[in-house]
This record gives sequence, C-alpha cells and structure tokens, in this order.
Amino acid sequence: EVELVESGGGLVRPGRSLRLSCAASGFAFSTFEMNWVRQVPGKGLEWLSHSSGSGRTMYYADSVKGRFTISRDNAKNSLYLQMNTLRVEDTGVYFCARGGPVRGFDYWGQGTVVTVSS
Amino acid sequence: DIQMTQSPSTLSASLGDRVTITCRASQNLSHWLAWYQQKPGKAPKLLIFRASSLESGVPSRFSGNGSGTEFTLTVSSLQPDDLATYYCLQYNGFSWTFGQGTKVEIK
Repeated sequence: EVELVESGGGLVRPGRSLRLSCAASGFAFSTFEMNWVRQVPGKGLEWLSHSSGSGRTMYYADSVKGRFTISRDNAKNSLYLQMNTLRVEDTGVYFCARGGPVRGFDYWGQGTVVTVSS
Repeated sequence: DIQMTQSPSTLSASLGDRVTITCRASQNLSHWLAWYQQKPGKAPKLLIFRASSLESGVPSRFSGNGSGTEFTLTVSSLQPDDLATYYCLQYNGFSWTFGQGTKVEIK
C-alpha cells in the first residue's frame, strides 16, 4: 500500500528556516516524480516544487524560487523541502504528492502544518 | 505563466442532478489536466488524469472532457458523498497550476 507521511512542520518566526520531510513506502520511490503542494487555511491549493525520480531535475513556483529547495534521498525513500527566509504568507498545510504530468498527482500525504508568526 | 480560470466558484445542486465544472486555460495545455476532489481536513483525491482518464476506484459518475484550453468535469448524478471542493490542475512543461476551486453544495 502506498503511503506518504510528512513531518517537520511547526511554529517558526519570520525569516527563519524549516525543513519538511516526506517518508514514502509501498512503491519504488526512486522511479517516481514527487511534489510539494501547500494550502493556506480556508484557501486553495498551490503547487510549490517538483523533483524527478533521480532528483536531478527540479522545478519551483515563482513564489518560492530562491527560498525553498526540494531534495530527495532515494536510499531512505524520503523527500525533503528546505524552506529558508520564511514569510507569514508561507503559513499553511504542506502536502507531499507523488506523480507528474502523465497521471497527475495520484497519492498524497496527510499534510504537515507550518505556521510562520512572530 | 499560464492562467487557469475555474468556474463556478460555488455550485448548489440537488441530489441526482448532473453538474459540470469548467476550467479554462490561457494557453494550449493539450490534454495535461487533472481533476481532484477535496473534503475538509483531508488531502485531495485524484479523480481524472490526462483530461479524461478515470482514476482507478473512482465512481463512473465522474467524467472529464476537453483538450487545449477548455476542460470540464461532470458528475452525472450528484450523490451526498460528492459534497466537496473540486480543483483542476494543469501542467505546462515546467510548472503546475491549480484552479481556484469549486465548492459543491447540496441544495
């Protein structure tokens, strides 16, 4: 059974950093593209970043380019999101999601909450 | 950047009604569009991928159509379990963009 479990969220001051993790199981992790998506409370979904299966190709939304870095450790079946220079508007629920353009994002984690506040 | 316009933002319908949600793109997406259902406090669930392919396990009352710049998600007969917010997701080669969402309410 495919499972994605995010962790690492919490309360952080503006300007500080946070690293999110997504532990994957139940599938051949290294062969799948992965993504980070966030949702501001009461608002819509926002795609943030994409990683190829190898981790060599990465894409970012303009809103996080230069501040957030996606990475993965295929030996540990884990995806990461390093978030630097956090802003109040980065507050939200962060989801990791498996997939790419061919089949969409077919499996999602339950999300981890990030709150940026002074 | 490709702009996605999803409509309506809210839809109120009766059980058994046929309902349709539309996503329009500012550029040609070919068939790279997916549809999701999200219930409060839950992660989104994939319904349709590649514009019209039904995800395994999704009821056949859901269908997707369209290509290029206009896409639709149709529920042929609205059920109580369909109360949710629906999002389209487009892919344009370097990034993905979600539509603004459509909240479906039971009248």
